[in-house]
Amino acid sequence: GAGVSQSPSNKVTEKGKDVELRCDPISGHTALYWYRQSLGQGLEFLIYFQGNSAPDKSGLPSDRFSAERTGGSVSTLTIQRTQQEDSAVYLCASSLAPPGYSSSYNEQFFGPGTRLTVL
Amino acid sequence: AQSVTQPDIHITVSEGASLELRCNYSYGATPYLFWYVQSPGQGLQLLLKYFSGDTLVQGIKGFEAEFKRSQSSFNLRKPSVHWSDAAEYFCAVGGDKIIFGKGTRLHILP
Repeated sequence: GAGVSQSPSNKVTEKGKDVELRCDPISGHTALYWYRQSLGQGLEFLIYFQGNSAPDKSGLPSDRFSAERTGGSVSTLTIQRTQQEDSAVYLCASSLAPPGYSSSYNEQFFGPGTRLTVL
Repeated sequence: AQSVTQPDIHITVSEGASLELRCNYSYGATPYLFWYVQSPGQGLQLLLKYFSGDTLVQGIKGFEAEFKRSQSSFNLRKPSVHWSDAAEYFCAVGGDKIIFGKGTRLHILP
């Protein structure tokens, strides 16, 4: 079956512009994560959606970053007024969570990522 | 708050030698633990995971990891590395959410 998909695969933008990154999780997966991968920084947690619960936004680095998940499926990560330090690979992952249980123990399936370059 | 520490940024071993990659975590309850591998230009692949039960976990590609609660560790091991194991390895802990360490880059000498 289809895995997690992300678009675009590459995005080059100018400093100060807004960008939107899209993630399509595996159908039926209720948990969705966004991470940022920069050189030497590993995978930095950004935000976590679980079902209809309020998202865990504790990893968002500034108020220029926001994310939404519509209909419990597709998610969009928006970066406003991009800065050069936002350049990184943005990874999305989803996992299957039984109803009523935390999904944090479930295996994550990662998308291929979006490479963002801010000039 | 949960956290993961991978103390070694780079490790170099000779092909055929044994390998141990260190991972320490912090979490107030029993964590769920994972090791992922990322080969150059590739996505993340799950090597193994610990949820409960036997503290020695077997994974793919001949890897294993041992959960030691007393040391808050989940070290990854392989008895004999192959050149194709050169990659970056990430340890992750699942509690309220899944958090990753900064990774260890493994280099293999011929």
